Amino acid sequence: GQQLNQSPQSMFIQEGEDVSMNCTSSSIFNTWLWYKQEPGEGPVLLIALYKAGELTSNGRLTAQFGITRKDSFLNISASIPSDVGIYFCAGHMTTDSWGKLQFGAGTQVVVTP
Amino acid sequence: DVKVTQSSRYLVKRTGEKVFLECVQDMDHENMFWYRQDPGLGLRLIYFSYDVKMKEKGDIPEGYSVSREKKERFSLILESASTNQTSMYLCASSRGGTGGNEAFFGQGTRLTVV
Repeated sequence: GQQLNQSPQSMFIQEGEDVSMNCTSSSIFNTWLWYKQEPGEGPVLLIALYKAGELTSNGRLTAQFGITRKDSFLNISASIPSDVGIYFCAGHMTTDSWGKLQFGAGTQVVVTP
Repeated sequence: DVKVTQSSRYLVKRTGEKVFLECVQDMDHENMFWYRQDPGLGLRLIYFSYDVKMKEKGDIPEGYSVSREKKERFSLILESASTNQTSMYLCASSRGGTGGNEAFFGQGTRLTVV
């Protein structure tokens, strides 16, 4: 299946810095999702986006549904050590009738004190 | 809160064994999915189900089968385990259709085949 293009692959940042990552696709999506996965655990849903241009926050996390419907962005402000993990984007294509999601390869975030 | 529970966190099985991975969700979701996750390969869909007794192949169904006899339970079966099936297995569920496509994941099962 198609994988989304997620970048960057990894980020090493200092505590207090902001983090930005994005996902792009050649297809149009009607839903964008952002997940966080910690070592040895399953992904946990952070933010869900449903409309082009939508901007949604969850605490220090902010995500946007791109206006072309082919991309999405996630920002983490003022990072803290517990932000460490792998962040995945996922999207649902408008042409899919089964509810299947496409996933990005993930962005590994490492926060140093 | 949606809860998806996988029966085991860790499993060690021998080559050739038949292996069952169980997943239960408590939110009356229509869709259920099995993925495997390997370093550098991301999440790959093995099988999914959109209703009881209904199943569809994902991207990598070879060597696997599934069973959904009840709405809340989705089982992944490795007919004859092989070492290349050593992986992290993730179950997920979603409401589907107009109810939304947000998938909720279980905690994962790390399977080692020796």
